[in-house]
Amino acid sequence: GAGVSQTPSNKVTEKGKYVELRCDPISGHTALYWYRQSLGQGPEFLIYFQGTGAADDSGLPNDRFFAVRPEGSVSTLKIQRTERGDSAVYLCASSQAGWTTDTQYFGPGTRLTVL
Amino acid sequence: DQQVKQNSPSLSVQEGRISILNCDYTNSMFDYFLWYKKYPAEGPTFLISISSIKDKNEDGRFTVFLNKSAKHLSLHIVPSQPGDSAVYFCAAIAIDNAGGTSYGKLTFGQGTILTVHP
Repeated sequence: GAGVSQTPSNKVTEKGKYVELRCDPISGHTALYWYRQSLGQGPEFLIYFQGTGAADDSGLPNDRFFAVRPEGSVSTLKIQRTERGDSAVYLCASSQAGWTTDTQYFGPGTRLTVL
Repeated sequence: DQQVKQNSPSLSVQEGRISILNCDYTNSMFDYFLWYKKYPAEGPTFLISISSIKDKNEDGRFTVFLNKSAKHLSLHIVPSQPGDSAVYFCAAIAIDNAGGTSYGKLTFGQGTILTVHP
């Protein structure tokens, strides 16, 4: 079956612009996670969805970042007024039900570059 | 504050020999530990995990060891193969993420680049 997909694979934008990053999880997975990986670092947690609701958004850096998952499947990460420091690879992962021991399957990521 | 640390940025090993990747953590609430492998331009792929009630878990060529008192875990790959060349991330999950619930909120280390030479 299909894995987690993310679009676009690369996004170049100018400082101050608005961007949307999309994640298509594995079909039937109720849990969805967003992580951000900066150069030379490991991925950092941003937000966790269980179904349609954001169960934990404690990792979002500030109010310029927002994510939705309106139908419990596809999720969109939205970044307003982008800054150069937002440049990173944004990773999405999904798991069966969100339990600790459920394997998280990652997408290939979206590389965001803010000029 | 880096709660999960991989102090070796890189490791080079000869094919057929053992690769040992190390990871230290500071948060005593972590109770589930994982290793992920990442190739360029791909997302991390789950490799092996261990619960805090165990000190060893083995899967084929991969073994993870956990020393809770030292807050240290390691991944052993025997024998190492050139296809194992990748970035390896250690990750941990805490018992209580929010309001008494537990889910898969991963805290990652910085990663170690493993190169296995033929």
